[in-house]
Amino acid sequence: GAGVSQSPSNKVTEKGKDVELRCDPISGHTALYWYRQRLGQGLEFLIYFQGNSAPDKSGLPSDRFSAERTGESVSTLTIQRTQQEDSAVYLCASSLTTEAFFGQGTRLTVV
Amino acid sequence: GENVEQHPSTLSVQEGDSAVIKCTYSDSASNYFPWYKQELGKGPQLIIDIRSNVGEKKDQRIAVTLNKTAKHFSLHITETQPEDSAVYFCAARSGSARQLTFGSGTQLTVLP
Repeated sequence: GAGVSQSPSNKVTEKGKDVELRCDPISGHTALYWYRQRLGQGLEFLIYFQGNSAPDKSGLPSDRFSAERTGESVSTLTIQRTQQEDSAVYLCASSLTTEAFFGQGTRLTVV
Repeated sequence: GENVEQHPSTLSVQEGDSAVIKCTYSDSASNYFPWYKQELGKGPQLIIDIRSNVGEKKDQRIAVTLNKTAKHFSLHITETQPEDSAVYFCAARSGSARQLTFGSGTQLTVLP
């Protein structure tokens, strides 16, 4: 596609439910990143995928968070047993070399 | 790990004036420094970047300077326009890591 695509754009969920967020990277981009952006704050690194290498999960805040990516395609970020503090915009980015291009994000609200 | 500090958190300028946003980083091994613009409800967009082998880079009204010795870099926007109003983020990437570490953002408002 022309850019990084994320779905859904908005998600409201009840506390304790699981959610799955999707990211379609730019075709051919080998690297994929997930970031979290709380209201009025900067971007917090969550996880990084590069080709078939083991992902860098060093930013995941708890074991309720996990992510998968098959090859160089779609990635899903799963949050289990959601808490109110998980409310944020979740941003995905992809890159081929140095420049990282972001999607529009998924706004997650946990009520 | 890398730590990026960004100042100011908010900046208001009159249309036509210049705006400067400053960032410092902690990891001397960092070698790539992009700047992103984020408009309301949208994802960050890359507007300019600089690598550690260059001291300055310019693209029309936007310029970035890098001082490796002091470990700081700055974004300069000249002849500001209302459409420049947005949140601007600086970021840094260490040579040993692939992820970007972001500053906390600057809300720039250009007053007509």
